[in-house]
Amino acid sequence: KAGVTQTPRYLIKTRGQQVTLSCSPISGHRSVSWYQQTPGQGLQFLFEYFSETQRNKGNFPGRFSGRQFSNSRSEMNVSTLELGDSALYLCASSLASGTIGEQYFGPGTRLTVT
Amino acid sequence: SQQGEEDPQALSIQEGENATMNCSYKTSINNLQWYRQNSGRGLVHLILIRSNEREKHSGRLRVTLDTSKKSSSLLITASRAADTASYFCATDEGTGNQFYFGTGTSLTVIP
Repeated sequence: KAGVTQTPRYLIKTRGQQVTLSCSPISGHRSVSWYQQTPGQGLQFLFEYFSETQRNKGNFPGRFSGRQFSNSRSEMNVSTLELGDSALYLCASSLASGTIGEQYFGPGTRLTVT
Repeated sequence: SQQGEEDPQALSIQEGENATMNCSYKTSINNLQWYRQNSGRGLVHLILIRSNEREKHSGRLRVTLDTSKKSSSLLITASRAADTASYFCATDEGTGNQFYFGTGTSLTVIP
């Protein structure tokens, strides 16, 4: 089976712009979770989608949003980018919602905001 | 917020030696998982241990869980240079809704 893929792998944006990141889960996985990883805050949970519905949400401002399509692919959007949004954004897929089983991570999208 | 804290923050050992890293957490959990991350890349799942289990093995990995002390340890035996990576523990704080990752242990295995 193909692994989790994320596009693009690298992105440079300017403050105030918006960005959309994409994640394709492992075939058959219906849950997609998004994480932000920074040196200062570590890995932080953004949100989880399961069967096109947001199931769980972390403590991030409303500028961070996402959606999931019927084929389980997911997109994450960040509007009005700030310098502090520079991070590695990771998505992970799993069979079930929540924390029952293991998550399979993609390689990440490295976002740099200038 | 980060649930777990790994200790030590960094560890450097010779190839062939064993590496032990610890994770402490704050609340009750349903399960605890360990992940490995190679330099700025995605995480790889290593092992899952449920709250009613005390020890699990997978190849050269041994994980223990002590719920009374709210701690877990990951032992990598006969380390290899390829084990060089950051290791994270993740817990669910008992909610079953989301994972909280620790701060990570950076392991360097010297050939």
